[in-house]
Amino acid sequence: AQSVTQLDSQVPVFEEAPVELRCNYSSSVSVYLFWYVQYPNQGLQLLLKYLSGSTLVKGINGFEAEFNKSQTSFHLRKPSVHISDTAEYFCAVSRRDSGGYQKVTFGTGTKLQVIP
Amino acid sequence: EAQVTQNPRYLITVTGKKLTVTCSQNMNHEYMSWYRQDPGLGLRQIYYSMNVEVTDKGDVPEGYKVSRKEKRNFPLILESPSPNQTSLYFCASMGRTVNTGELFFGEGSRLTVL
Repeated sequence: AQSVTQLDSQVPVFEEAPVELRCNYSSSVSVYLFWYVQYPNQGLQLLLKYLSGSTLVKGINGFEAEFNKSQTSFHLRKPSVHISDTAEYFCAVSRRDSGGYQKVTFGTGTKLQVIP
Repeated sequence: EAQVTQNPRYLITVTGKKLTVTCSQNMNHEYMSWYRQDPGLGLRQIYYSMNVEVTDKGDVPEGYKVSRKEKRNFPLILESPSPNQTSLYFCASMGRTVNTGELFFGEGSRLTVL
């Protein structure tokens, strides 16, 4: 079994300030890690993913995340946020299941509110 | 353009009135899935399908049905909707060729059951 914990349900931050959205996971097997973003009234879209290799992953819109295996974390960061980053962010993990596909588990989401 | 299309986007109905939410993808993906999104609970999987005529329950299947008669379509059926099924629903698909778990989502269907 696997699980994902997003500790912060809401994160307010001033425009141009840095932000970190936290994600911790648990799994007994190797997993892939994802961050999705959901803008108001839209579906989820992929922000970035970690499959293997460098633990620092860069995504769209200036976001990056670092995979830390020892702490089982995959925190999302941006050095300077913009109003347009206001959205809900979901962390997700996937592992191979018996059917040959990847079983995906989502966190409960973090709402990022950028304050002008 | 690669996309997952859901209809309707918004629906208000009454308890017990059967409804269907359609989902179609144009990426030739074998895997399709339905999720519901509720405040504080994130996304929970309702049903998924690994291919035509192959469906299986997710984490919260009660009160829902699905079918997969064609590869591109995966409708979600609520035979007798109840108010606790008021939610935001997402259809998603995943390819097998690049099998990392990356999901492609529709824009969502907001359902209100009175």
